[in-house]
Amino acid sequence: SAVISQKPSRDICQRGTSLTIQCQVDSQVTMMFWYRQQPGQSLTLIATANQGSEATYESGFVIDKFPISRPNLTFSTLTVSNMSPEDSSIYLCSVGLTGGSGYTFGSGTRLTVV
Amino acid sequence: ELKVEQNPLFLSMQEGKNYTIYCNYSTTSDRLYWYRQDPGKSLESLFVLLSNGAVKQEGRLMASLDTKARLSTLHITAAVHDLSATYFCAVSLTGNQFYFGTGTSLTVIP
Repeated sequence: SAVISQKPSRDICQRGTSLTIQCQVDSQVTMMFWYRQQPGQSLTLIATANQGSEATYESGFVIDKFPISRPNLTFSTLTVSNMSPEDSSIYLCSVGLTGGSGYTFGSGTRLTVV
Repeated sequence: ELKVEQNPLFLSMQEGKNYTIYCNYSTTSDRLYWYRQDPGKSLESLFVLLSNGAVKQEGRLMASLDTKARLSTLHITAAVHDLSATYFCAVSLTGNQFYFGTGTSLTVIP
């Protein structure tokens, strides 16, 4: 199954700044998914990133706030822009496993905005 | 919009006891997943249930799926402390859209 390296693992950022999170997969995948997990909450899908096209954002998430890049089939970045304390969450990337056997997740980025 | 609800949200159980976590979802789907999350960690895949009546077991955990009732269960047998974690079910409508349940925080006490 695919292995995802996600970084940074955690960061503390100032209000109004931006943070870019990176995910590197050890195999080529068509789609990568970005999730947010607010403290004590479940996971919410932010967007789906396809290589060579614009990311597809879920309701409540916009490209200006969460720009995504997908330059090739093994890499993606998510930027959290103009951060506020409400953006403090864990952000996770995910890819589907072959044969529809589920999804694997990166180790997560724990973001704290102060 | 698909809604996925789990209950209970919090579960404290004694070692050696049995219990069941329930996952209800609001729209027809034939693909359901169970994940485990330890504090501060990412998600670990436990089970993938792909058809009505599917049952899978791993150690002290057993998951089942009833697509007609839109219900999945995660049964814990003779709980041990190592099972303490948060458990999520997730439902897929298409290959892309993946909706997580509210999560069940399980604490196993001696």
